[in-house]
Amino acid sequence: SQKIEQNSEALNIQEGKTATLTCNYTNYSPAYLQWYRQDPGRGPVFLLLIRENEKEKRKERLKVTFDTTLKQSLFHITASQPADSATYLCALDKTAGANNLFFGTGTRLTVIP
Amino acid sequence: DGGITQSPKYLFRKEGQNVTLSCEQNLNHDAMYWYRQDPGQGLRLIYYSQIVNDFQKGDIAEGYSVSREKKESFPLTVTSAQKNPTAFYLCASSIYRGTGANVLTFGAGSRLTVL
Repeated sequence: SQKIEQNSEALNIQEGKTATLTCNYTNYSPAYLQWYRQDPGRGPVFLLLIRENEKEKRKERLKVTFDTTLKQSLFHITASQPADSATYLCALDKTAGANNLFFGTGTRLTVIP
Repeated sequence: DGGITQSPKYLFRKEGQNVTLSCEQNLNHDAMYWYRQDPGQGLRLIYYSQIVNDFQKGDIAEGYSVSREKKESFPLTVTSAQKNPTAFYLCASSIYRGTGANVLTFGAGSRLTVL
């Protein structure tokens, strides 16, 4: 079965630094890899996705990389702010049917002022 | 504003009772989903529906039931057969129609606690 691991349950960084979150997966490679943000007691919110044939994707202070050889995606937040504190989820998207998303357990990021 | 509305936000249930969680969307999305979220675990799919009057079991459907009588609505019933129902339940929708990425829009969630 598909296994998705996010590097750690929690990550603390100083404000202004770059946060790097890791998503590793086993077995088959997804067609897409998605990243979501979840605040406590709320539903996840989609941030961005990267296709299997893309190496890097950027959106404002966010950057995602995708290495299908390593079976890994890295999610970077540059110039981090306390408002970036949240749990970040990665999701593998097979696109072979509606039951095609597999979510990681998430990494809880805390940005310290 | 377009979005997904889940209700109630918090729900307490006695053992042996069935409860129904509401999910309504005004995004005109075809597909709707129910996930369960427990601490330390990824989101687990309970049921999903790609079209009105049709739905499929996800990975953990036992003890749950759904209906899809309208495109906008996808209620989830947690039955007394669900052995460990205390969890955070998330409803989601997407425009997914079989190709391309399946990006989900989530509701705010419903927290069910069994007393």
